[in-house]
Amino acid sequence: SQQGEEDPQALSIQEGENATMNCSYKTSINNLQWYRQNSGRGLVHLILIRSNEREKHSGRLRVTLDTSKKSSSLLITASRAADTASYFCATEETSGSRLTFGEGTQLTVNP
Amino acid sequence: GAVVSQHPSRVICKSGTSVKIECRSLDFQATTMFWYRQFPKQSLMLMATSNEGSKATYEQGVEKDKFLINHASLTLSTLTVTSAHPEDSSFYICSARIAGGIYEQYFGPGTRLTVT
Repeated sequence: SQQGEEDPQALSIQEGENATMNCSYKTSINNLQWYRQNSGRGLVHLILIRSNEREKHSGRLRVTLDTSKKSSSLLITASRAADTASYFCATEETSGSRLTFGEGTQLTVNP
Repeated sequence: GAVVSQHPSRVICKSGTSVKIECRSLDFQATTMFWYRQFPKQSLMLMATSNEGSKATYEQGVEKDKFLINHASLTLSTLTVTSAHPEDSSFYICSARIAGGIYEQYFGPGTRLTVT
């Protein structure tokens, strides 16, 4: 079964608004990563946050990690229609280098 | 940099035939490649981890005799779906980790397999 659970499963917002997606996991991790996938395409790596980090920024993206709660959030600020995609969190467990993906959040940004 | 390609991007085959999918790291060497399967509107499920020069490690529930993986060089891994059935129809995605790299995996664009 998938380690990560994401919520919401689907999110629809207006251009310019912020989008927040959450991810929870169950085991100890080395790092947590967020990926984006446009429909029928491959994955694009967005950001990686290590287990000893609490917050990280990259452009309009802000990721937080709370290892005590085993959860992470991805915030996209000032969203654009081009941000419409599925977003997945993925955890790399301390037991190995494999990534385990969450269920994903389908984000729709309406122009 | 760090581009991963897959070939073919789409393939349709008849039930009972075999299909080979290639995954190439174009501008870096990858000691480890990963194969995932994704069904419509679902997440990625890791099928196997492919290490150059050694046998692949398959995830629980993945038939190694059905999904043959060969990682013959530092830039190429192949996945062969043998005796394909309609339920094997899926989106297959590979990723590669840079040799000596620690964390990041680079993903290919995926291959859409349809078995009729």
